[in-house]
Amino acid sequence: DAKTTQPPSMDCAEGRAANLPCNHSTISGNEYVYWYRQIHSQGPQYIIHGLKNNETNEMASLIITEDRKSSTLILPHATLRDTAVYYCIVSRRSGNTGKLIFGQGTTLQVKP
Amino acid sequence: EPEVTQTPSHQVTQMGQEVILRCVPISNHLYFYWYRQILGQKVEFLVSFYNNEISEKSEIFDDQFSVERPDGSNFTLKIRSTKLEDSAMYFCASRPEANEQFFGPGTRLTVL
Repeated sequence: DAKTTQPPSMDCAEGRAANLPCNHSTISGNEYVYWYRQIHSQGPQYIIHGLKNNETNEMASLIITEDRKSSTLILPHATLRDTAVYYCIVSRRSGNTGKLIFGQGTTLQVKP
Repeated sequence: EPEVTQTPSHQVTQMGQEVILRCVPISNHLYFYWYRQILGQKVEFLVSFYNNEISEKSEIFDDQFSVERPDGSNFTLKIRSTKLEDSAMYFCASRPEANEQFFGPGTRLTVL
């Protein structure tokens, strides 16, 4: 089973920030928080990851709480093309397996 | 930008037939994966492959499934005797040492 909990769906207005929450209260010390998204039936796409510090890249920002039990993915200016299912996954960063356990994710609908 | 490719994009087969799904991972990646997604359901891990051997497999990955890296570029998933319930999207993924996985576009397998 997935080790994360996410709301099943969210709406966001185009051009506004989308804030997607995730709870991962059982995360262990060597596990990272990863975010992926899946647009329609395409392959999942890596977005960002973090251990305990906030992270930002060209796609998004990741805010992780100090106790690491929850995080928020921020898409600063959502566009219609950001409509997708967003997955929050906890996993080790290296090692021979590194399997990703996907939950149901959050379906983000960006509306004009 | 390098990407994972998969062929064919759609495979239709009769129940009981063997199918081989092909993937070309990103060239300098070390770890390889197969996932599947039954229509309307979540993405499920099947198998991970490293150093020319399976490093982990799920309960789904029974004796009907096998993986192979026959040369330096291809990574294949074989289903020996397909069943109706094998109908799904199959995604290949690869990664370098760090666990940011890059997914292919998927192969839609339809078993009739």
